[in-house]
Amino acid sequence: GDSVTQMEGPVTLSEEACLTINCTYTATGYPSLFWYVQYPGEGLQLLLKATKADDKGSNKGFEATYRKETTSFHLEKGSVQVSDSAVYFCALSDQPFYFGTGTSLTVIP
Amino acid sequence: DAGVIQSPRHEVTEMGQEVTLRCKPISGHNSLFWYRQTMMRGLELLIYFNNNVPIDDSGMPEDRFSAKMPNASFSTLKIQPSEPRDSAVYFCASSSLLDAQGTDTQYFGPGTRLTVL
Repeated sequence: GDSVTQMEGPVTLSEEACLTINCTYTATGYPSLFWYVQYPGEGLQLLLKATKADDKGSNKGFEATYRKETTSFHLEKGSVQVSDSAVYFCALSDQPFYFGTGTSLTVIP
Repeated sequence: DAGVIQSPRHEVTEMGQEVTLRCKPISGHNSLFWYRQTMMRGLELLIYFNNNVPIDDSGMPEDRFSAKMPNASFSTLKIQPSEPRDSAVYFCASSSLLDAQGTDTQYFGPGTRLTVL
C-alpha cells in the first residue's frame, strides 16, 4: 500500500542555517505530494504541494521537488528563521491521505 | 472563507461522561476527516467521509467512538463513555474529492483539546 517515510527528528538549527528534511514515498499511482506545517497550539496548514513528477512546490522560502525516480519529496530552505520552528509533515494524497510521522524543527537565535 | 470550524476549542470532562465534538467543513468540500493527535501516537486518522457517507472507520479506536455527518456542512465525533486515555487534540479536516483515487489539499481546523479527568 501507499506510505510516506520522513526523517526522524527533532532537528535543531541555528538561525540562517540550511534545512533539509527528507521524505520518501511509496505509491501505486500518481499522487500529489504535500508538506504541511504545524505551529505550537495550532492545526496543520499547507506549506506547499506538487501534483506531478518534476514539479517544484515553493512557499515562504521553502521548496520541494517531486522526484519520481528517487520517490522523494525533500523539504529545503536556504536560511531558516526562529519563526520556522514548528513540526513539518510530509503527506501523499490518496484514499485517504497518508501523513508522515512529523519532524520537529527548532531554530535557535 | 471562514475555514474549517471546530467546537469547542477546549473540553474538560470527567471519566464516564459523554463528549461531542463538532465540525463545520469548508463550503463546497465533499470529503471530511477526523484525526486524533497525541505525543505518544502522533497523528491518527479516525474516520473519513465522502459525500456525507463514511468510507473507512478502521481508525476508530473502539465502540465508544462514533461519528456522523448528517449533511454536507456538519459532522460530529462522539465519545461515550469517555476515558482518560481519550485525552488528545482532535482535528477535523476537509477537502475536495478529485476522483476515486485521491483528494485535493486537506484543510485543517484549529482542533479541540480534550482532557478527560
